[in-house]
Amino acid sequence: GAVVSQHPSRVICKSGTSVKIECRSLDFQATTMFWYRQFPKQSLMLMATSNEGSKATYEQGVEKDKFLINHASLTLSTLTVTSAHPEDSSFYICSASWQGSTDTQYFGPGTRLTVL
Amino acid sequence: ELKVEQNPLFLSMQEGKNYTIYCNYSTTSDRLYWYRQDPGKSLESLFVLLSNGAVKQEGRLMASLDTKARLSTLHITAAVHDLSATYFCAVLTNDYKLSFGAGTTVTVRA
Repeated sequence: GAVVSQHPSRVICKSGTSVKIECRSLDFQATTMFWYRQFPKQSLMLMATSNEGSKATYEQGVEKDKFLINHASLTLSTLTVTSAHPEDSSFYICSASWQGSTDTQYFGPGTRLTVL
Repeated sequence: ELKVEQNPLFLSMQEGKNYTIYCNYSTTSDRLYWYRQDPGKSLESLFVLLSNGAVKQEGRLMASLDTKARLSTLHITAAVHDLSATYFCAVLTNDYKLSFGAGTTVTVRA
């Protein structure tokens, strides 16, 4: 149980376009979802936390107008990278937790974004 | 701000020998996690440590937690090639976020 999926697994886009990444909890209701970014050979950095039906809370230094996060249902959160630039190229990983186990995050498989 | 420090950052292991990865954190936390990441992949959960003195073992990996010293260790016994990966520790903050260490890249050589 506790499976989190992400789609797409890889995406290549042109500079200036927007890209949407989906994160789904397949077998549980995710009351909270987290979005991380990981640059090559670096650690995971938390970008934002989203609770179902609420606005996302962004970490310091993360542009909320550039990284739009929507958590419209208990099984789906989306991250939209708007006007993507090459420096946004990264590995984006989501995780999810549920109300009965807020100390456990289940990680998705990640999305590799390459902006040309 | 919670800081999590791992060392070493790189570890070249010889097959059959034992090694330890250290994880220090700066403020009190109720939970410490160890994850494994293979190249191009996401995180695989290894252990969650909940209390002082907690010790968990799975195969050749053993993790322990000393909350008074704010230190966790991941001990690898008789390293084998399959253990080559990057290992992260992470600490749960008061607002249920994870703060990650920098990661330890392990390479096991024959």
